[in-house]
Amino acid sequence: GDSVTQMEGPVTLSEEAFLTINCTYTATGYPSLFWYVQYPGEGLQLLLKATKADDKGSNKGFEATYRKETTSFHLEKGSVQVSDSAVYFCAMFHNTNAGKSTFGDGTTLTVKP
Amino acid sequence: GAVVSQHPSRVICKSGTSVKIECRSLDFQATTMFWYRQFPKQSLMLMATSNEGSKATYEQGVEKDKFLINHASLTLSTLTVTSAHPEDSSFYICSARDRRVAGLSNSPLHFGNGTRLTVT
Repeated sequence: GDSVTQMEGPVTLSEEAFLTINCTYTATGYPSLFWYVQYPGEGLQLLLKATKADDKGSNKGFEATYRKETTSFHLEKGSVQVSDSAVYFCAMFHNTNAGKSTFGDGTTLTVKP
Repeated sequence: GAVVSQHPSRVICKSGTSVKIECRSLDFQATTMFWYRQFPKQSLMLMATSNEGSKATYEQGVEKDKFLINHASLTLSTLTVTSAHPEDSSFYICSARDRRVAGLSNSPLHFGNGTRLTVT
């Protein structure tokens, strides 16, 4: 069945460091891929998305490229800030799956000044 | 942008009582809303799919008599935790997809800010 596997955390970085959070998926067909971010005490917010192979989603300095050949959607940012500290969820949506999305387990990022 | 309002944000109740959590889509309509429970180690567990005008679809292992879901309109779904016990203490989150684009593969979920339930 459909599944999303993302890098286990927690991840701790210094400010201005480079960030990569790995995400791979298993699905039949061609799902859409998303990254959501959850700040402490809040719900999730859409960070970026990509709907087909080689698409690159980007927002707030974060990027992720839909790689069909490696079934991956790794999240990257060139220079993290303290305000990026949050939990990041990789997710996919297949409109054949009764409208449900499949989420990874989340990766906690802490950025230290 | 699309906003989902979840209320209350925090509730403390005594064991044995029931608690209702509301999830409203403020500027869009949703034929389907989703309820999740988030555990301390952050993973999201989908509890059920709330369907406007019909019965909710529960995930395996979720007690439908304990977690009552009602989706009476295109903008409101409620989750009632009945006869709550301390083990029901958790962070509950709802989400919805705009019905106008719900069938599109790139339509994102819009999340409420969650409800922290503490059962004493």
